[in-house]
Amino acid sequence: AQRVTQPEKLLSVFKGAPVELKCNYSYSGSPELFWYVQYSRQRLQLLLRHISRESIKGFTADLNKGETSFHLKKPFAQEEDSAMYYCALSRPGAGNQFYFGTGTSLTVIP
Amino acid sequence: NAGVTQTPKFQVLKTGQSMTLQCAQDMNHNSMYWYRQDPGMGLRLIYYSASEGTTDKGEVPNGYNVSRLNKREFSLRLESAAPSQTSVYFCASSETTAGNTEAFFGQGTRLTVV
Repeated sequence: AQRVTQPEKLLSVFKGAPVELKCNYSYSGSPELFWYVQYSRQRLQLLLRHISRESIKGFTADLNKGETSFHLKKPFAQEEDSAMYYCALSRPGAGNQFYFGTGTSLTVIP
Repeated sequence: NAGVTQTPKFQVLKTGQSMTLQCAQDMNHNSMYWYRQDPGMGLRLIYYSASEGTTDKGEVPNGYNVSRLNKREFSLRLESAAPSQTSVYFCASSETTAGNTEAFFGQGTRLTVV
């Protein structure tokens, strides 16, 4: 069965410090991995996807198939990065079901 | 382009009451979903619909029913609300285009069952 694990429920870092939000997954096939972000009182929105290998708002995430991880990183955290972050896995086909982790609440301390 | 629209935004129900959460998307997506969001538990899939006319159970379907009315609309019904169904409900839709998949979310419905 597919599963997405985010071990940290809460994470606090100081402004300007590096930040890493951890995500591990289990899936027997080749999933698509995503990071979604939810700012206060807003809807979830896509931050980035592994297939694009892009950097959004200074965030990057590398898919490590050996470690089945998709950690989200940013070298210098900003106050506006404070939000809830969800790692998600999509199973190709079968209606593109999305499975989400439990989320990590990031607080950037000024 | 409104994306995914949910109604209502807030609702308070008494135990045993019924209600339907409405969701509509204007992106011509085939797949639609209903999730509930609870503190410490993330988003859990209630039901999904891979295409018009089909629905399937997700992780936590008990106490809910869904209807894929047409390609645009996917409703979630609580037949007899229970306090355990107090949650924030999100509707989403997705499509895979040129190998890229993305789910788009509604703004959420905050439901309280007393």
